[in-house]
Amino acid sequence: KAGVTQTPRYLIKTRGQQVTLSCSPISGHRSVSWYQQTPGQGLQFLFEYFSETQRNKGNFPGRFSGRQFSNSRSEMNVSTLELGDSALYLCASSWGLAGGSYNEQFFGPGTRLTVL
Amino acid sequence: EDKVVQSPLSLVVHEGDTVTLNCSYEVTNFRSLLWYKQEKKAPTFLFMLTSSGIEKKSGRLSSILDKKELFSILNITATQTGDSAIYLCAPRAGTYKYIFGTGTRLKVLA
Repeated sequence: KAGVTQTPRYLIKTRGQQVTLSCSPISGHRSVSWYQQTPGQGLQFLFEYFSETQRNKGNFPGRFSGRQFSNSRSEMNVSTLELGDSALYLCASSWGLAGGSYNEQFFGPGTRLTVL
Repeated sequence: EDKVVQSPLSLVVHEGDTVTLNCSYEVTNFRSLLWYKQEKKAPTFLFMLTSSGIEKKSGRLSSILDKKELFSILNITATQTGDSAIYLCAPRAGTYKYIFGTGTRLKVLA
């Protein structure tokens, strides 16, 4: 069974640009969550999508947005990039259903974004 | 505001030592708590804890949750160099939202 895939793996952008990251969940998983990981802040929750609907949102500015497609693939967009957006962006997939092991999240390898 | 605090922040031990990693939390609508191990790649799942006092074990690793005192511990016995990693705990706050701690960085020396 293929794991969670993320593209691209590495990205370099300059301030003011925008970027789109992609995440393909494990086959059958309908929930995709996005996280930002930085050395100082650890893993911070961005948002979670289930069946093309955003169910949860973290405390990030509106420059961070996402969407999910009917095949459960998800994209995350960051507009007007700032230096502080440099981070590892991880997505995680799960069945997204209530109870037990349905909540176990499997992480992708991440996209390392560097903003110059 | 949801909060997760892991301690210690970092730890250096020798092979064969036993370590205890701590995770205290304050989250709304707590449902469960997950432990992850992160090496130089994506976090990998270790345990999910939903009930107080029931120890989960996997080889040399074990974990327990105290829902009254709002903490969890992860024990690693007979540590090996391959245990060197960042260990993350993530309580689930409400529906499908996980709050991660900053992690404990463990280094095991040969």
